[in-house]
This record gives sequence, C-alpha cells and structure tokens, in this order.
Amino acid sequence: QKEVEQDPGPLSVPEGAIVSLNCTYSNSAFQYFMWYRQYSRKGPELLMYTYSSGNKEDGRFTAQVDKSSKYISLFIRDSQPSDSATYLCAMRTTNAGKSTFGDGTTLTVKP
Amino acid sequence: DAGVIQSPRHEVTEMGQEVTLRCKPISGHDYLFWYRQTMMRGLELLIYFNNNVPIDDSGMPEDRFSAKMPNASFSTLKIQPSEPRDSAVYFCASSSNKLAGTYNEQFFGPGTRLTVL
Repeated sequence: QKEVEQDPGPLSVPEGAIVSLNCTYSNSAFQYFMWYRQYSRKGPELLMYTYSSGNKEDGRFTAQVDKSSKYISLFIRDSQPSDSATYLCAMRTTNAGKSTFGDGTTLTVKP
Repeated sequence: DAGVIQSPRHEVTEMGQEVTLRCKPISGHDYLFWYRQTMMRGLELLIYFNNNVPIDDSGMPEDRFSAKMPNASFSTLKIQPSEPRDSAVYFCASSSNKLAGTYNEQFFGPGTRLTVL
C-alpha cells in the first residue's frame, strides 16, 4: 500500500462548479501538506501548503488537513477552464527534504 | 531568475545506450531533487542532495542509475545501460532551506521526456 493515496479521477465538471480533491495517508509523522498543479507537459507548481491540521484559504482555493483522520482535501470554488490540470497532493515530515506525492487527479473544467 | 533549467527537454535513445540528463538549480538553493514521473507509478523521488551531498538515494531503481552533483549549480542523472522501462519524464527540483522560519518550497524544472526504444 502506498504511503499517500489520491482519488484517481479523472474529474470533469462544468464551469462554476465546486471541486473537491482528496488524499489519504498512512504516515502520522507527516507535518507539511502541499497541493501542486501540473499543466500538460509542464513541471508541477506549488499551489498551497498547510502546516499541521487546519484550513487555509487562498482566493478560490481552500486546503483542509485532518490529521486525526489522515485526510487532506483541496476545494476549488467557481471553477474555471483555466483550472483544468492535474492536481497532486504531497506531504513531508520536515520543512526540508523529501516529499511523498500522490498519483494525481486530472481535472477538466468545461466552459 | 530563470528557474530550474533541465536539458535536454526530449531524448530518444535505443536500448543499451547511455543517457545523461542535466539540471541547473536556482541560484542559491541548497537542495536538489531528481524525480521520475510515469502514468503507472506517478511522481517518484529518485535521489536528493543537500549542499551537493547525496542524502537519500533509496528511490534509485537499480545500479544502472547514478546521480552526481559536482558543484552547487549543476547535477546529472545518468542511466547506463538504458532500457525501455526507463521511459518517463524526469524532473529536477530545487529548494532553499536557508531562511529560518520560512516554508521550503520546491521549484520544479520543465522536465526531460525520455523515450528508450
């Protein structure tokens, strides 16, 4: 079993929909939780990070971490066609060093 | 800043040939990571360096893979001999842990798409 499991998708939604992307993990030592966005044929780019449990909001994006359930989510409100990409969750135990990635969920937002 | 630079962007080679992938991290960054991405296995960490020293190479699949970082501005990932199952996109990323109390963000390069025939 992988250390980080991500809902595989793919996901296709109409423009304006609310999107929920989710990951679960098994390593209770993870402290940093990240969401990356990867456009086709590009490298991943950091979208948001959260330290420990709680919520973090940035514009239309909200990241949630529930360490008791070992579950993290990314919500996208008012989704736009430009949000169409693959979203990867990632986690690590310290502020430096290796991150463990989920396999990614491909999202398509249709106009 | 130009970001993380990788070369070549595309490489097509035949089974058994040696392949060398190159990476120039962002200036001043002290961590460098090599990842491999495939549809089947997702994004996997192969090896990472701190201050040019390999810290964790547990993700290197086998002895055919080797990585070096001779100085702070250059790293190579070599596959010798290459096999068709090595076909993947290889990403290099760098980060800085020099500012205490700040989040250590990894910046990814554009990747090298490797095809081994």
